[in-house]
Amino acid sequence: NAGVTQTPKFQVLKTGQSMTLQCAQDMNHEYMSWYRQDPGMGLRLIHYSVGAGITDQGEVPNGYNVSRSTTEDFPLRLLSAAPSQTSVYFCASSYVAGPYNEQFFGPGTRLTVL
Amino acid sequence: TQLLEQSPQFLSIQEGENLTVYCNSSSVFSSLQWYRQEPGEGPVLLVTVVTGGEVKKLKRLTFQFGDARKDSSLHITAAQPGDTGLYLCAGDNNGNQFYFGTGTSLTVIP
Repeated sequence: NAGVTQTPKFQVLKTGQSMTLQCAQDMNHEYMSWYRQDPGMGLRLIHYSVGAGITDQGEVPNGYNVSRSTTEDFPLRLLSAAPSQTSVYFCASSYVAGPYNEQFFGPGTRLTVL
Repeated sequence: TQLLEQSPQFLSIQEGENLTVYCNSSSVFSSLQWYRQEPGEGPVLLVTVVTGGEVKKLKRLTFQFGDARKDSSLHITAAQPGDTGLYLCAGDNNGNQFYFGTGTSLTVIP
């Protein structure tokens, strides 16, 4: 099993550009989520999904879109990048939502918006 | 809104010393998790505590959930260089979301 994979590992964008961060898992997990990590802020939840076809907003959803067409994939789209979106982005998955299920994190995507 | 505050933010100690990291909130959580993150990698789950007053031990690491389920602590005995990393607490609000703490960066000097 590859676990949770994320691509790309690094990305530099100019303000106003769009891009999609890819996330895939091969563990047949129902719950998937996207976090951003900024210095001194811990991880903040952007969007999450409890299953294919179902998505919901987290703590900081503005400027980001998600979709969940399959169980395996959960892409994160930046429609018009802004410098405030410079961050490290982590995708995570677990069997289902809730505290008894371990979240497995991907290796992260480091994004810089100029 | 940052619901969980961790202290200290940075900690540098000598190998063999003991340390405690705190995770505090004004909110009640149904459970609390502790993660360790190494540079360039995603967080890895260490433990989940779900009952007020619960204590869990993982080798030299002891985790405690406060009686009121608003706070937690992580105590490391005889720290080793391999314990170096960023320690994160995360609280579950009995829904589908986890709220992460601000993180404690630990460096253990050989």
